[in-house]
Amino acid sequence: DGGITQSPKYLFRKEGQNVTLSCEQNLNHDAMYWYRQDPGQGLRLIYYSQIVNDFQKGDIAEGYSVSREKKESFPLTVTSAQKNPTAFYLCASSILLVADEQFFGPGTRLTVL
Amino acid sequence: LAKTTQPISMDSYEGQEVNITCSHNNIATNDYITWYQQFPSQGPRFIIQGYKTKVTNEVASLFIPADRKSSTLSLPRVSLSDTAVYYCLGAQGRRALTFGSGTRLQVQP
Repeated sequence: DGGITQSPKYLFRKEGQNVTLSCEQNLNHDAMYWYRQDPGQGLRLIYYSQIVNDFQKGDIAEGYSVSREKKESFPLTVTSAQKNPTAFYLCASSILLVADEQFFGPGTRLTVL
Repeated sequence: LAKTTQPISMDSYEGQEVNITCSHNNIATNDYITWYQQFPSQGPRFIIQGYKTKVTNEVASLFIPADRKSSTLSLPRVSLSDTAVYYCLGAQGRRALTFGSGTRLQVQP
C-alpha cells in the first residue's frame, strides 16, 4: 500500500537533547512538508521541500532542521534551540507543491520532559 | 496567499446538512480554495478543492461565488463520524499551505 509513514508514534526526550523524527513516503511525490500542531490549534508549517536536496523554511522554522537527500525521505530534527518542542508533528507529501492534495502521515507526538 | 477566516465551532444533528463558510477577502487570481478534515490525533484529510462556481464529489460540495471572497463547504446528511475539525485554505501555487485554526463541527445524535 502506498502512503506516508512516521516513526515513532510517541517520543519522549529530555530537555536539551536533539531528536530526529522520521518521515518516509512511497507515493513518488516530489513535495514534502513538516507541520507542528499544538493542542486545540491548527497546523503551522515548519519546513517544506519541492525536490531532492532543496528545502524552504516555513512559518516557524527556528529551532528545527531538515534534510532531503532522497525523494522518499524528509527527516525533521528538533534541536535544543527550540524553546517549546512538545507538540504533535505531522509530515505530508504531494505530487507537486501547494495546490495539489496533500497526503498526511499519522503523526509523531513529541514530549520533552 | 489568501488569509482565511472561518467560524471557530458549529453544532449539528445527525441527518442534517451542514454548511461551513470561509471568508478569504484578499484571495488572489491564482488562488485555489481547499478544504481538509481532521480527526483528533490524526493528520488532516483532503475533502475538496475548487477555483470558482460549484464542485461536488462523493463526500461534499464546495460553492464559490463569482467574487471568490468566500466559499462554503456543504456536508449533506451528516453523521456522528463527521464530527471533526474542518480547515479552509488558500494556495497560490508557489508556497506551501497555511492552515488556520479551523472549524470544530460537533454532530449530535
